[in-house]
Formats: sequence, structure tokens, C-alpha cells
Amino acid sequence: DTGVSQDPRHKITKRGQNVTFRCDPISEHNRLYWYRQTLGQGPEFLTYFQNEAQLEKSRLLSDRFSAERPKGSFSTLEIQRTEQGDSAMYLCASSPGQGKRNTIYFGEGSWLTVV
Amino acid sequence: ELKVEQNPLFLSMQEGKNYTIYCNYSTTSDRLYWYRQDPGKSLESLFVLLSNGAVKQEGRLMASLDTKARLSTLHITAAVHDLSATYFCAVDEGKIQGAQKLVFGQGTRLTINP
Repeated sequence: DTGVSQDPRHKITKRGQNVTFRCDPISEHNRLYWYRQTLGQGPEFLTYFQNEAQLEKSRLLSDRFSAERPKGSFSTLEIQRTEQGDSAMYLCASSPGQGKRNTIYFGEGSWLTVV
Repeated sequence: ELKVEQNPLFLSMQEGKNYTIYCNYSTTSDRLYWYRQDPGKSLESLFVLLSNGAVKQEGRLMASLDTKARLSTLHITAAVHDLSATYFCAVDEGKIQGAQKLVFGQGTRLTINP
């Protein structure tokens, strides 16, 4: 069990560019979540996958954001035409199996700075 | 819409003292989580509280849940410097079938001075 892995850990990009983040959840965790955290705030839910199906999306996820989990394993979060307001830490999390009694494990996060 | 509020937001205390962080939430839920975050790091799970009256303890930290009052507390006993961090509570909004959708509080930044 190597934990939730995210890549890259840090990304600086110019406004208007596209960026993509990758998340590898804990092996055999079929639930995968993306959250966003800005400085001094708690994380905010963005989206949720059950295996390869995206079952929930937040209103925070504008049409510039897209997330995929094509084979039910790793996931990608792409931000198109980045804006300065997108600067944040993007956290991926996963949890196992059935029911709602499970701990959600977070990755180290991907820091995005839009200049 | 579920809202989660923590207080205090900032807490500076001396080693050896006891203190409590409070987490209030606005709508019914019976699943509450406490996480710890060190600067620049991700969130470390501390406790999962699943029912009214649940109490869990790990070392100098103890968490409890009162679902009727919509209140959870994180109690720190005889604080030590290593406990300095930001502590978040998070409540499951309960709107995703079969999974969790967490709404986080703003966090309590705890500094423990020697």
C-alpha cells in the first residue's frame, strides 16, 4: 500500500494554458475523489468516481474542468484556459469498497500556480 | 446547504495545557471526520465518527460526536509541540449514494508553544 499518489506535485503555468494532473489511488480502492483547497481554507469537493463512472460533480467544476478515470484505476483532472483564480492545491482521495463507514485517504496534492 | 463551522480558527497554547476545538454543522449527518494537516502537506485522517455519542481516542487527542446537537469536539490533553498543525473537521453531506461527499470546516490552526 503506497498511498494515494499525485503528479506533478507542483505546476506553474501561464494564464490561458492547459494543465493536467494525474492521481493514482490506493490499489483496489474503487472510489476516487477530487477536492480543491485554497490557502487558509478547507478542501472543497469537486467530483467523485465509482470505478470509471463519474457520479457527482460540484458546481465549482466549470466547463473548463474535466476529469476522467478511463479504466477505473488512475484519474486525470484537466483544466483548460487556466485563470489566476484556479491557483490552488488539487487533492485526490480514495476510499475502498461498500458502505459509508470508510476512511477517505488523501494524496499529497498538486499545487497549481497560474501567473 | 450543509455548512460546517469550526472554532476557534486560531489557537495558541502552552505545552501541557488542555483545550477543545469545536465543530458545528447545519444539517443532519451521522458521519463526521477529523483530519490533521501540516503546512504544505496533505490531510492525515485522525478519526471517523459514525454514530451519536461516538467517542474515539488516540494518544492525546479525543473526538466525540453529538448528532442531536450537530456538534463534534476534538479535545487535546496535555498538549505537546508535535501536535502543532491545522485540524479540520468534515461532515458527510450524505447525498452521494454509496459514497461520501465531505464538507470541510475552515480549519483550526493550532500552535503549541514550549
